[in-house]
Amino acid sequence: DIQMTQSPSSMSVSLGDRVTITCRASQDIGNHLSWYQQKPENSPKLMIFGTTNLEAGVPSRFSGSRSGSDHSLTINSLESEDTGIYFCLQHKQYPWTFGGGTKLELK
Amino acid sequence: QVQLKESGPGLVQPSQTLSLTCTVSGFSLTSYSVHWVRQHSGKSLEWMGRMWSDGDTSYNSEFTSRLSISRDTSKSQVFLKMNSLQTEDTGTYYCARSYISTYYYLMDAWGQGASVTVSS
Repeated sequence: DIQMTQSPSSMSVSLGDRVTITCRASQDIGNHLSWYQQKPENSPKLMIFGTTNLEAGVPSRFSGSRSGSDHSLTINSLESEDTGIYFCLQHKQYPWTFGGGTKLELK
Repeated sequence: QVQLKESGPGLVQPSQTLSLTCTVSGFSLTSYSVHWVRQHSGKSLEWMGRMWSDGDTSYNSEFTSRLSISRDTSKSQVFLKMNSLQTEDTGTYYCARSYISTYYYLMDAWGQGASVTVSS
């Protein structure tokens, strides 16, 4: 199975910060990766697919990028509504596998 | 509008079978795949399996021997059945829709989740 190592596991951030979350794949997954945001007591919400494509309706302060096996989600100028847990998901190979999650909290 | 809704028993006894239903609206099961994803207590997510639009299925090998996914297209429902439940199977079970956009998969709509506790 492809392992997705997500870092950091948690971040304490301030409004206006630039935040980067990274998932490292144990094998080449190309750009077959998506990012999800989950708020407490809610289901995950798609933010980015195909590593760099912003889902419709997601604010443009969110972006995705890739450097080799490292896939990153960046939030420019964090807003309070951006807190929650973020997960990456690879769908290059079955079984699809998620990263361990990054909990984003305000300081 | 696209909706998915899980339903099923909240409590299952150890060694028994879990049966969940995902009822969808706003799209056809013959055009989109539906997946089942599990989450333990707000921790990471685990992909369990998939019902393809053509009726085929794919499973996570971790569950293969005890997991079955089926559907009834006339009722717009996808079913999950998993036997030999243990306490480690406690968690929230989600169904989610997927499709391909610009060559890449995405899961764009999720149900609200069904909380399942395995306990005697």
